[in-house]
Amino acid sequence: GAVVSQHPSWVICKSGTSVKIECRSLDFQATTMFWYRQFPKQSLMLMATSNEGSKATYEQGVEKDKFLINHASLTLSTLTVTSAHPEDSSFYICSATELLLGAETEAFFGQGTRLTVV
Amino acid sequence: GEDVEQSLFLSVREGDSSVINCTYTDSSSTYLYWYKQEPGAGLQLLTYIFSNMDMKQDQRLTVLLNKKDKHLSLRIADTQTGDSAIYFCAESMRGSQGNLIFGKGTKLSVKP
Repeated sequence: GAVVSQHPSWVICKSGTSVKIECRSLDFQATTMFWYRQFPKQSLMLMATSNEGSKATYEQGVEKDKFLINHASLTLSTLTVTSAHPEDSSFYICSATELLLGAETEAFFGQGTRLTVV
Repeated sequence: GEDVEQSLFLSVREGDSSVINCTYTDSSSTYLYWYKQEPGAGLQLLTYIFSNMDMKQDQRLTVLLNKKDKHLSLRIADTQTGDSAIYFCAESMRGSQGNLIFGKGTKLSVKP
């Protein structure tokens, strides 16, 4: 099946620094990529949707200047958490869908990135 | 707005059947999904059902959809200790399979 690889699996960073998380589709072309955030014992909340070569569409309440999303190719999207603060500590997970014969496939998820800001 | 609700915990004995329930609010959802998340891992799609279906069976998994009541259930037959995980119900938004609203997840514990 389709594989989405996310890197790193976990990262610890100092408050005020920026962190980049990569999401790659290994064996398919990810027409659309999605970034979710999951707080402990909470559900996944969609942060933004990105189509290759276009600006990301952010959900209400998500700061686009803080969470920079780039989807420059059909196999790679990145999420950069800028000027991270402890409240940004969370589990970030990406997913991707492919457009096949005009129909969108189901979403395939990466393994997630545990971000801890100290 | 859209919302997906599910019970938080379920405990069963190995070999029994597990039934995880979910209710959703958006009647226009085209797809409804069940995902499995093991500790520290990403999400694995278990199964999904089109909104015009009532039931879908896939090996040990049976999904029942009551569209009138907006109720979705996942039955796992012959539950094994390896089935212990968090199970998320999700509905698609805005006609996209990747744009999902998730429930909070049901933690399934399987006792030997």
